[in-house]
Amino acid sequence: KQEVTQIPAALSVPEGENLVLNCSFTDSAIYNLQWFRQDPGKGLTSLLLIQSSQREQTSGRLNASLDKSSGRSTLYIAASQPGDSATYLCAVASNNAGNMLTFGGGTRLMVKP
Amino acid sequence: NAGVMQNPRHLVRRRGQEARLRCSPMKGHSHVYWYRQLPEEGLKFMVYLQKENIIDESGMPKERFSAEFPKEGPSILRIQQVVRGDSAAYFCASSGQHSGANVLTFGAGSRLTVL
Repeated sequence: KQEVTQIPAALSVPEGENLVLNCSFTDSAIYNLQWFRQDPGKGLTSLLLIQSSQREQTSGRLNASLDKSSGRSTLYIAASQPGDSATYLCAVASNNAGNMLTFGGGTRLMVKP
Repeated sequence: NAGVMQNPRHLVRRRGQEARLRCSPMKGHSHVYWYRQLPEEGLKFMVYLQKENIIDESGMPKERFSAEFPKEGPSILRIQQVVRGDSAAYFCASSGQHSGANVLTFGAGSRLTVL
């Protein structure tokens, strides 16, 4: 059974810092890994999707890496801004579950001006 | 394309009442997934449906919960005789095909509060 863990659970940083959010998963047989953003009381916004054959994906100030063999992914946020404050969720689509995702518990990020 | 539409966005029920949550997938999508997010917890898979078929309901509680995705109309998640522990955000997602390369698109969620 796939389990996804995110560390840290919460993070507070001053504006402008570069930061790294961590995600680990127990079963390396995955289709893909996604990073989502969730704002309080809102739905999920997909930020980056990494296919199992890829090592990283970039979008603007965000870069996500994937190391399947070690069961790890990191989300790197450059030059953080107060608008980045949200909960970041990592989710894995496993081979034996098709598109069904297993989510981590999330990292609550607060970027202070 | 309006995306995945969920309604109601907020629903308040008293203990013992029924809750019905609706999800209209993205146009052209025939696969629907329901996830539940309990307060201060991550999202947990509940059920995966295609038109008129339940493909995987391994995450559904054994009692009081049911889901359907009829040939016409939205997918419905039904909770009978609600209890306070059912208070959560229920998210629906849809995809166009059962493929690992595909991406789920999530709705904004329905937030159920049981008094």
